[in-house]
Amino acid sequence: QKEVEQDPGPLSVPEGAIVSLNCTYSNSAFQYFMWYRQYSRKGPELLMYTYSSGNKEDGRFTAQVDKSSKYISLFIRDSQPSDSATYLCAMFKAAGNKLTFGGGTRVLVKP
Amino acid sequence: GAVVSQHPSWVICKSGTSVKIECRSLDFQATTMFWYRQFPKQSLMLMATSNEGSKATYEQGVEKDKFLINHASLTLSTLTVTSAHPEDSSFYICSAPSASGSGGTDTQYFGPGTRLTVL
Repeated sequence: QKEVEQDPGPLSVPEGAIVSLNCTYSNSAFQYFMWYRQYSRKGPELLMYTYSSGNKEDGRFTAQVDKSSKYISLFIRDSQPSDSATYLCAMFKAAGNKLTFGGGTRVLVKP
Repeated sequence: GAVVSQHPSWVICKSGTSVKIECRSLDFQATTMFWYRQFPKQSLMLMATSNEGSKATYEQGVEKDKFLINHASLTLSTLTVTSAHPEDSSFYICSAPSASGSGGTDTQYFGPGTRLTVL
């Protein structure tokens, strides 16, 4: 079983819809959680960084962490075709530790 | 802040030759950098951790003699794929942790990647 599970998709939504992405993890030692966006043949771009359980909002993006359930989510409001990309969740245990990635979810926002 | 660059962005080489990929932190110093490999439609696979002034730490199954890593300064790490073969064709990405970006302490920032094609 992988340490971090993420549905590969693809997830297809109409423009303007809310995109809902999530990851589950098995190791309670993970303390820091991130969401990256990756366009085809590009490096991952950091979208959100969270540490504590709860919600964090940044523009159209909301990240949720539920450490008790070992479950994290990313919501994208008012989705745009430019949001079409692969979204990767990632987490690590402590400063200086290497990242553990989910497999990525491919999202397609149709005009 | 927290910009990471890679060079070259795309390289094609003949089988048996060696290829060097550079990873630079442009506006911050990084004592540690990470090298990943990514196959099409798959997630990133960590290959090794590059440590400034000391030997790199390789993940299980990664040949250290094949993938040579040198972290000669606080802003530069290089990955050399020696005697490359077609199965080494992949997308190679580096990252470096930085507290100077929008994320928290030790958030990793990624380079744009290098696409290697071995003929």
